[in-house]
Amino acid sequence: RKEVEQDPGPFNVPEGATVAFNCTYSNSASQSFFWYRQDCRKEPKLLMSVYSSGNEDGRFTAQLNRASQYISLLIRDSKLSDSATYLCVVPISGGYNKLIFGAGTRLAVHP
Amino acid sequence: GAVVSQHPSRVICKSGTSVKIECRSLDFQATTMFWYRQFPKQSLMLMATSNEGSKATYEQGVEKDKFLINHASLTLSTLTVTSAHPEDSSFYICSARDVRQNNEQFFGPGTRLTVL
Repeated sequence: RKEVEQDPGPFNVPEGATVAFNCTYSNSASQSFFWYRQDCRKEPKLLMSVYSSGNEDGRFTAQLNRASQYISLLIRDSKLSDSATYLCVVPISGGYNKLIFGAGTRLAVHP
Repeated sequence: GAVVSQHPSRVICKSGTSVKIECRSLDFQATTMFWYRQFPKQSLMLMATSNEGSKATYEQGVEKDKFLINHASLTLSTLTVTSAHPEDSSFYICSARDVRQNNEQFFGPGTRLTVL
C-alpha cells in the first residue's frame, strides 16, 4: 500500500459546483496533514493544515477521519482559478519534517 | 510567507555533463532545506535533506555520489547532478524550513532539467 494515495482525477466540474477529494494514508501514527495546491509546472503551495478533526477556510474545508485514515478536501462554489492539482501531504514524523506527497488530484473547473 | 528562489529555472544539457542547481532562502535563514524530484504526472519525491554545516541525509535509492548536496550557509543549498543522463531529466524542487513560521516548508519555483 502506498504511503499516501489519491484519486488522480481529473475532476471536471462547472463553475459554482462543489467538489470533494479524498486521500488515504498508511501511517496510523501521523498527527498532522496538509493539502497543497500545485499549478502546472509550478511549485506546490500550502492550502490548508489539518491537525485535529478538520479545518475550514472560506470555500475550503478539510476533514480528517483517523479511524479510517483518510483526509478529505471539499471545495464549495468552485471558481475557474481553482483549476490545479491538489496534493495530499503527510509528514513522516510530525510537523513539517519529512513530507510524503500524494500523486495529486487534478481539478478542472470550466465555465 | 517566506521566499525561496531557485536558479536556474530551466537547463538543457548534454549527457555526461554536470549541472548545479541553487536554492536560496531570501528573507530567512534555513538550517534545513529539502530537495525533491517530480517526474511528469507523479508526486514529489524527497531526494535528500540538506543540513547546514553537515552532510546531507539521502533517501533510500538516491545515489549520494550522483546527487551532490552542499549547504554551506544558512541561506544557500546546492544540488549538483553529476554525469547527467536522460533519465535524470525531471523537475527538481527545493524547499526551506522556516522555524519562525512553525517550521513550515516553503518551496522554490523549481528547476526543469532536460538531459539530451
